[in-house]
Amino acid sequence: DAGVIQSPRHEVTEMGQEVTLRCKPISGHDYLFWYRQTMMRGLELLIYFNNNVPIDDSGMPEDRFSAKMPNASFSTLKIQPSEPRDSAVYFCASSPNSFYNEQFFGPGTRLTVL
Amino acid sequence: KNQVEQSPQSLIILEGKNCTLQCNYTVSPFSNLRWYKQDTGRGPVSLTIMTFSENTKSNGRYTATLDADTKQSSLHITASQLSDSASYICVVSGILTGGGNKLTFGTGTQLKVEL
Repeated sequence: DAGVIQSPRHEVTEMGQEVTLRCKPISGHDYLFWYRQTMMRGLELLIYFNNNVPIDDSGMPEDRFSAKMPNASFSTLKIQPSEPRDSAVYFCASSPNSFYNEQFFGPGTRLTVL
Repeated sequence: KNQVEQSPQSLIILEGKNCTLQCNYTVSPFSNLRWYKQDTGRGPVSLTIMTFSENTKSNGRYTATLDADTKQSSLHITASQLSDSASYICVVSGILTGGGNKLTFGTGTQLKVEL
């Protein structure tokens, strides 16, 4: 298995633009998680899905952030409009069967908003 | 407020030496505790996951301990190697009132292993 796949790996955009981050979880994993990591705040859980259904989005910072999982093999995290403070590394992770199982992280997308 | 505090913030050791990283938490009720290793520019990789009933768990040269009474965990690295240079993150799962789960993250310990 190729592991969790994220695209793009790097994204540079200007303030006000829409940004879409993509994730393909490991096949067969029921849970998908979106994280954000910054130097100041460390790793933060934004939202997670179970069987394509959003379970907890309390970590989503603002209405500018939205996430979807239209099927078991694809999820998106969208920021519209983007702001410089959204600059961070965004990770997607997946895990099998349970919230408590080991999570497998993707390589991350480094987002820079100018 | 649920918190996870890690110490030290950073650490430099010589190759071949042992070291111990600390994690103290206030998360309650507690479900499990995880240690992750994160290499620079990469995603975190799970080292161990422990429930409240487990006192110790090993993964190669990594051994994690848990004292659920004092809400403390440690990660011991034996015979360190240059490849151990990374950030080590402690993550605690808590159970929310009314069901559901909550992850609380430590800010990590940055370990550097030198020749």
